[in-house]
Amino acid sequence: EVQLLESGGGLVQPGGSLRLSCAASGFTFTRYAMSWVRQAPGKGLDWVSAITGSGDDTYHADSVEGRFTISRDNSKNTLYLQMNSLRAEDTAIYFCVKGDAASRPYFFDYWGQGTLVTVSS
Amino acid sequence: EIVLTQSPGTLSLSPGERATLSCRASQSVRSNYLAWYQQKPGQAPRLLIYGASSRATGIPDRFSGSGSGTDFTLTISRLEPEDFAVYYCQEYGRSRTFGQGTKVEIK
Repeated sequence: EVQLLESGGGLVQPGGSLRLSCAASGFTFTRYAMSWVRQAPGKGLDWVSAITGSGDDTYHADSVEGRFTISRDNSKNTLYLQMNSLRAEDTAIYFCVKGDAASRPYFFDYWGQGTLVTVSS
Repeated sequence: EIVLTQSPGTLSLSPGERATLSCRASQSVRSNYLAWYQQKPGQAPRLLIYGASSRATGIPDRFSGSGSGTDFTLTISRLEPEDFAVYYCQEYGRSRTFGQGTKVEIK
């Protein structure tokens, strides 16, 4: 059974940093691309970042480019999102999401339950 | 970037009725790389349809997807109580953008 368990969310001040983690199990981690998708309170889904199965290639939405960094440790079956220079508009639930292939194109076949990030003073 | 526009914003229907949800893309979707997701309150989204018309594992056959190019449709043939939720389309060929969602609510 595929499981994705996010952690690391919390309350942080504007300009601060946070690192999210996602522990994956139930599949061969290195074979699949992974992404982070967020959802602001009461809003829709917003893709944030993606990384290929090997970890060689990463992609970020324009809204987070230069502030967020996605990475993975395939030896630990863990996905990360380093978030710096956080803004109030980054407040959202962050979902760890599995792609159905190692690289594009892929849809999102499994989602974690999400971790809440709140950026506020 | 491809922009996806979903309509209607809200669909008010009764259990047993047919639901038809639309997703229109600002550019042609390559190779029908279009997916649909369902999200219930307080839950993560769940994959329903990929490749515009292929049902994901475990998805009941009352859910069907159709369309090509710029116009796509998700149809729920007979609404069950558990189907009242928000539905999102997503283009995954060129970008990873989502539509803004359609809420299917009980009338």
